[in-house]
Amino acid sequence: EAGVAQSPRYKIIEKRQSVAFWCNPISGHATLYWYQQILGQGPKLLIQFQNNGVVDDSQLPKDRFSAERLKGVDSTLKIQPAKLEDSAVYLCASSGDHNEQFFGPGTRLTVL
Amino acid sequence: AQSVTQLDSHVSVSEGTPVLLRCNYSSSYSPSLFWYVQHPNKGLQLLLKYTSAATLVKGINGFEAEFKKSETSFHLTKPSAHMSDAAEYFCVSQNTNAGKSTFGDGTTLTVKP
Repeated sequence: EAGVAQSPRYKIIEKRQSVAFWCNPISGHATLYWYQQILGQGPKLLIQFQNNGVVDDSQLPKDRFSAERLKGVDSTLKIQPAKLEDSAVYLCASSGDHNEQFFGPGTRLTVL
Repeated sequence: AQSVTQLDSHVSVSEGTPVLLRCNYSSSYSPSLFWYVQHPNKGLQLLLKYTSAATLVKGINGFEAEFKKSETSFHLTKPSAHMSDAAEYFCVSQNTNAGKSTFGDGTTLTVKP
């Protein structure tokens, strides 16, 4: 079974630029999560989708972050414009019927 | 609201000695609880999970955890540490029915030869 795929693996941008991350969950998983993991901290949930609907986006900074999951499969997370404090690893995870989350390798974002 | 506190940011043990990584949770309902491991430059991997069945949960690689409601704890243990256990460990609380997940800040486990 293929795991959760994410791209790119690494991204370096300057502040005020825009960036987008892509995630392909495990086939058949209805729930998709985006997390932000700042160095030295645990992952923080940004947004959770159930199929193509948003379940929780209470910690998503909506003035600069957006996410979509068209057709209930792939998802993109966008930051526009980026700030220095957005430097982090962005993790995508998916889950099926048993609540276990399967994580992708993450995208390491550096904002200069 | 729910929160997770991992009581030690760093734990160092010698190979072959027991491992104890402590986790306390706070929740207004009965959560599902998980332990994940993150090796350097690798993705998060599930070690074990508690979902209101048996309170002593066995996971992969010899790890286990015990849910103690009276102490709101879910500590992770292993009888004998191996060098390959060196990694970052995260305790996670999740609202049941695929609700919101809350991660602790992690515990870095170092295993000395």
